[in-house]
Amino acid sequence: KAGVTQTPRYLIKTRGQQVTLSCSPISGHRSVSWYQQTPGQGLQFLFEYFSETQRNKGNFPGRFSGRQFSNSRSEMNVSTLELGDSALYLCASSLSPSIYEQYFGPGTRLTVT
Amino acid sequence: GENVEQHPSTLSVQEGDSAVIKCTYSDSASNYFPWYKQELGKRPQLIIDIRSNVGEKKDQRIAVTLNKTAKHFSLHITETQPEDSAVYFCAANKNNDMRFGAGTRLTVKP
Repeated sequence: KAGVTQTPRYLIKTRGQQVTLSCSPISGHRSVSWYQQTPGQGLQFLFEYFSETQRNKGNFPGRFSGRQFSNSRSEMNVSTLELGDSALYLCASSLSPSIYEQYFGPGTRLTVT
Repeated sequence: GENVEQHPSTLSVQEGDSAVIKCTYSDSASNYFPWYKQELGKRPQLIIDIRSNVGEKKDQRIAVTLNKTAKHFSLHITETQPEDSAVYFCAANKNNDMRFGAGTRLTVKP
């Protein structure tokens, strides 16, 4: 089975721009979670989607948003980028919200200049 | 919300020794506790997990223990090898809302 995939793998943006990141879960997995990883803050939970609905949300400002499509693929969007948004954005998929084992994608490295 | 604390932040051991990493959590409703290993430049990999109805789980050289009353859980690695060197993250999960500890950088010296 193919693992979780994320595109693009690397991205450079300028402050004030917006960005959209994509995540394709493992085939059959219907729950997708997003995390931000930085050296200073570690792995921080952004949000979780299941059946095209956001079920859980972490402590991030409204500039961070996401969605999930009917095929379980998910996107996250960051608007009005700030320098502090530079990070590795990881998504993880699980079979469902009640089956907790999450498997991570390789991440998208976002650099904001 | 859930708060997960992880100690130590760095750990250095000699090859063949044991390594122990400890985590505490704050939300008694959390019921699933995974451990991830992340090597430099790679994605976190799930190495072992435990659910709240179990006190201990072992997989070869890796074991995890959970004390629900005290709200803490630990990762034990025995007979460490240089390839065990990585950053290890604990997490606490409630209804698929998963919060991570800050990570432990483990170095195994040959």
